[in-house]
Parts: sequence; structure tokens; C-alpha cells
Amino acid sequence: GQQVMQIPQYQHVQEGEDFTTYCNSSTTLSNIQWYKQRPGGHPVFLIQLVKSGEVKKQKRLTFQFGEAKKNSSLHITATQTTDVGTYFCVAYGGATNKLIFGTGTLLAVQP
Amino acid sequence: KAGVTQTPRYLIKTRGQQVTLSCSPISGHRSVSWYQQTPGQGLQFLFEYFSETQRNKGNFPGRFSGRQFSNSRSEMNVSTLELGDSALYLCASSTNYNEQFFGPGTRLTVL
Repeated sequence: GQQVMQIPQYQHVQEGEDFTTYCNSSTTLSNIQWYKQRPGGHPVFLIQLVKSGEVKKQKRLTFQFGEAKKNSSLHITATQTTDVGTYFCVAYGGATNKLIFGTGTLLAVQP
Repeated sequence: KAGVTQTPRYLIKTRGQQVTLSCSPISGHRSVSWYQQTPGQGLQFLFEYFSETQRNKGNFPGRFSGRQFSNSRSEMNVSTLELGDSALYLCASSTNYNEQFFGPGTRLTVL
């Protein structure tokens, strides 16, 4: 069945380093959303990408949607301790626009 | 606008019992999705309802079922509870294929 593979599963960085997580699909996606979940909290929406090759920025966060609409990335520049949490992608894809869920990347930031 | 509400927030059951969880979406949202979150498996998609119809389904056994009412409120039922069903159950609402707003979750403990 359709899957969205998200890598890495876990990343530990020093504060100030950059961080990137990737979502890769075997099929074309209609759109992709990114969420962040802080420890003990519930997921919070960050962004939605719809267009092929789309790039969106939110302060230190840069989101990209691949040209083929099969992959996406979230890049954080100069991480801060407030960036700690799990980042995951949610996508709709396929002929039936099925909901597809990434497994998440847990980011740990050491001050 | 009121956010997504889930009741109850905490629940303790014993093996073999059944449980019903409730989710009230944001007013005007017709899509409600349910997720199970455990430390070991992360966030896993259960099912999505849109306009009282199940539109998407994850890979959970038939013991997990749900429904959506005409006012978009949704319930999730788990029958014959197992120890492994202990988890945080999250619901999220959206308009349609758009940003999902998550509720605070119901913490279910099965003894």
C-alpha cells in the first residue's frame, strides 16, 4: 500500500546546527502537511504545500515539495532548544486521495 | 472559535471491556480523523470520517470502530480491550484535505 517514509527517525543536534527531515512517497501526493508535536503536547500544524516544486519559509524553517510531488523536506536553520519535538508529515495521495502518515522525526537539541 | 474537544481526557479500563471516546470538531469542520499514539509505535492513523462516512482507514483490527454524526461529532469505540491498547488517542478536525486541528487527546490505560 501507499506509504510515506520519513527519515531520520531521530536526530540529536547541538544548538545552532541545522536540521533536515525528509518525507518520501512511492506515489504522487496531492498535498503534504507538516506538523510539530512538543513533548507532552498534541500535534500543531506548521504548513501545507500543494504545488510542484513549492518552497515556503517560516522564519528559520524552510519547507519544500518536490517537483514530482513525491517527496518533501523540512529544514531548520540554526536550531534552538525550542525546536525540540517530533516533526511529521501528513499527505493525501493516490487516486482516492487517501490519507498517508509519515512516521515522524524526533529532534533533540542540546544547548 | 472553540478548538477540538475530546472526552473523557483520562480513562482506566480493564482487559476485555469496551470503551467509547468522543470528539467534537471545530464548528464547520466536516472531517474528523482519529490517531493512536504510543511511545513505541509513535502516531498511527486509525480512520477518517467526512460527512458521516468513513473516508480513510488505517491498519487496525476490527475491534476499533468509529462513527460520525450529522453534527460532525465523532465517536471511536474499542471493544474487547487489550493491554496494548493503552495509548493516547487523538482526534483532529479539518475542513477538507486541509490543516488538521488536533484535540488534547484521551489517555486510555488498560489494566
